[in-house]
Amino acid sequence: QVQLAESGGGVVQPGGSLRLSCAASGFTFSSTDMHWVRQAPGKGLEWVSFIRYDGTNKHYADSVKGRITISRDNSKNTLYLQVDSLRAEDTAVYHCAKAGPLNWNLDQWGQGTLVTVSS
Amino acid sequence: IQLTQSPSFLSASVGDRVTITCRASQGISSYLAWYQQKPGKAPKLLIYRASTLQSGVPSRFSGSGSGTEFTLTISSLQPEDFATYYCQQLNTYPYSFGQGTKLEIK
Repeated sequence: QVQLAESGGGVVQPGGSLRLSCAASGFTFSSTDMHWVRQAPGKGLEWVSFIRYDGTNKHYADSVKGRITISRDNSKNTLYLQVDSLRAEDTAVYHCAKAGPLNWNLDQWGQGTLVTVSS
Repeated sequence: IQLTQSPSFLSASVGDRVTITCRASQGISSYLAWYQQKPGKAPKLLIYRASTLQSGVPSRFSGSGSGTEFTLTISSLQPEDFATYYCQQLNTYPYSFGQGTKLEIK
């Protein structure tokens, strides 16, 4: 079955950086578009970023543009999110999610990894 | 594109029929999905393309709408349905979610 396992979260000081990873299995990762979505503690879902299956097309939320880079390594079935210049408002659980057919939905989600930005 | 869900909180009883509305700030055709999230869990896809039920989701869930106004209806609430529900537009990047509707037991 589909499995998405995020890692790389932790406590980081303001201005710092983190690279989050999402290990995928149970589907053909190299043919699948992927997303990152985050959720601040006690808040709603916020879409963060998208990457096409071959890495040739990427999109970002306005709130993170210029500070976040999405990438993937299809040989390792792994999705990444590089987050730089971290701010307190970036504190959240970061979920990776698999796009469904034709990118009409996010049909499978990982449990997420918590990023806490604090001095 | 901004999505506004109403109500933000909803109190209902087992067996009730409930409807949640999602309004988009501009037309999104039928590129709208609904998700259910329980505390500490990842969101679960319920409906996509406004009205298509995801495989494995009970038929008491239904969706409708197009353009700027959409609804999610649960025909007869079950105990496991008490959760938070989110709509998401997938018409235009950046994609966006509604603020959520928390469905609580009366």
